Amino acid sequence: KAGVTQTPRYLIKTRGQQVTLSCSPISGHRSVSWYQQTPGQGLQFLFEYFSETQRNKGNFPGRFSGRQFSNSRSEMNVSTLELGDSALYLCASSLDAGLDSPLHFGNGTRLTVT
Amino acid sequence: QKEVEQNSGPLSVPEGAIASLNCTYSDRVSQSFFWYRQYSGKSPELIMSIYSNGDKEDGRFTAQLNKASQYVSLLIRDSQPSDSATYLCAVDGGSQGNLIFGKGTKLSVKP
Repeated sequence: KAGVTQTPRYLIKTRGQQVTLSCSPISGHRSVSWYQQTPGQGLQFLFEYFSETQRNKGNFPGRFSGRQFSNSRSEMNVSTLELGDSALYLCASSLDAGLDSPLHFGNGTRLTVT
Repeated sequence: QKEVEQNSGPLSVPEGAIASLNCTYSDRVSQSFFWYRQYSGKSPELIMSIYSNGDKEDGRFTAQLNKASQYVSLLIRDSQPSDSATYLCAVDGGSQGNLIFGKGTKLSVKP
């Protein structure tokens, strides 16, 4: 069974640009969560989608947005990039919404903003 | 602000010893607790979950939960060099509905 697939693996962008990251969950998984990981702050929750609806949102500015498609694939968008957005962005899928379903993480997208 | 605290380490133990990783959390209403392992350059992977007070054993791993003290720990028996990784404690955010992660403890098992 294929794992969670995130594309691209690496991105270099310039401050002020926007970026879209993609996540394909494990087949059959309906919930997708996004996390930002930095050395200083660790893993921080961005948002969770289930059945194309945003269930939860973390404490990030409105420049961070996401969506989920009918096939459960998800995209995350960051507009007006700032230097501080440089991080590893991790997508995780789970069978269902809620914490009884374990999270399975993808390999992440490493975003560098210059 | 709900918080999950872990000693950043590094925690160094000799091969074959017991490694003890600790985590405290701030929200008394949290009910679900998880330990993830993250190898350098890799993504986190779930190794244990625990929901009730007491111990839960899975192979060489034992998770311990004390809700009164808001404390959860992970014991790794017979530590192996392959256990060298960062261990992340994650706690449910209650009404927030998401997991809150600690910053992780880096474990190094020396041959």
